[in-house]
Amino acid sequence: DAKTTQPTSMDCAEGRAANLPCNHSTISGNEYVYWYRQIHSQGPQYIIHGLKNNETNEMASLIITEDRKSSTLILPHATLRDTAVYYCIVRVVGSGNTPLVFGKGTRLSVIA
Amino acid sequence: AAGVIQSPRHLIKEKRETATLKCYPIPRHDTVYWYQQGPGQDPQFLISFYEKMQSDKGSIPDRFSAQQFSDYHSELNMSSLELGDSALYFCASSSDRGHNYGYTFGSGTRLTVV
Repeated sequence: DAKTTQPTSMDCAEGRAANLPCNHSTISGNEYVYWYRQIHSQGPQYIIHGLKNNETNEMASLIITEDRKSSTLILPHATLRDTAVYYCIVRVVGSGNTPLVFGKGTRLSVIA
Repeated sequence: AAGVIQSPRHLIKEKRETATLKCYPIPRHDTVYWYQQGPGQDPQFLISFYEKMQSDKGSIPDRFSAQQFSDYHSELNMSSLELGDSALYFCASSSDRGHNYGYTFGSGTRLTVV
C-alpha cells in the first residue's frame, strides 16, 4: 500500500511559487518526510527532508502540518528547469539504511 | 564533488544474453542501492548492500544478482535477459551516520534488450 498520496500533475507559471502537496496520514513517529525530483530520465535528485519542523534550503521549503499527516513542498520561484516529477517519500531513519520506496509522484510542468 | 558513477551509460543486449552493470559510490558511502525504472514507470527498488552485505531486497528477479566489493563498488548481474528488462537502472549511495541527508543517485544505465 502506498504510504503517500500526491496529485498526478500540476502546472505552475514561471516565476510563481509552486506548492506541491503530499498526504501521509499513516506516518509513524520515527518516519521522516523526504522529497526527491526526477528530471526526464535523469537520476532522482534529493531536495529536502524533515521530521516535524518546517525546513528550508537553497532549493525549497518544506511545510509539515502539526499532526504530520500532510506536507507541502514549496519552490518559491519556479523556473522552466523545475519541470520534473516530484516524489514525496516517508522513510524511517535510524534503523539501518532502509531503502527509499518511490510511489506515484506529481508531474510538475512549469509554463512560460 | 564526486558523484555516483555508473557504467556503461547505454547497453544493448539480445534476449537470453547476460549483462553486468557497475556502480561506483561516492567515497566513504557505505551503502549502495539499485533501482529499475521501466518506460513511463516510477523507480522500483531492487536490492541494497551495506558494508558489502546484502541489506534489503525488493522486487529483484531471480535472474538478477548483485554484490558489493571490498572497494565498495557494486555490480548488478542480469542473466537470461528478457525484452521486459529494458529499462533505466539507477544506482544510489548513502552514508547513514546518525542523520541521513538523502541518497545520491547516478545518471543511470539504459539497458535495451532486443
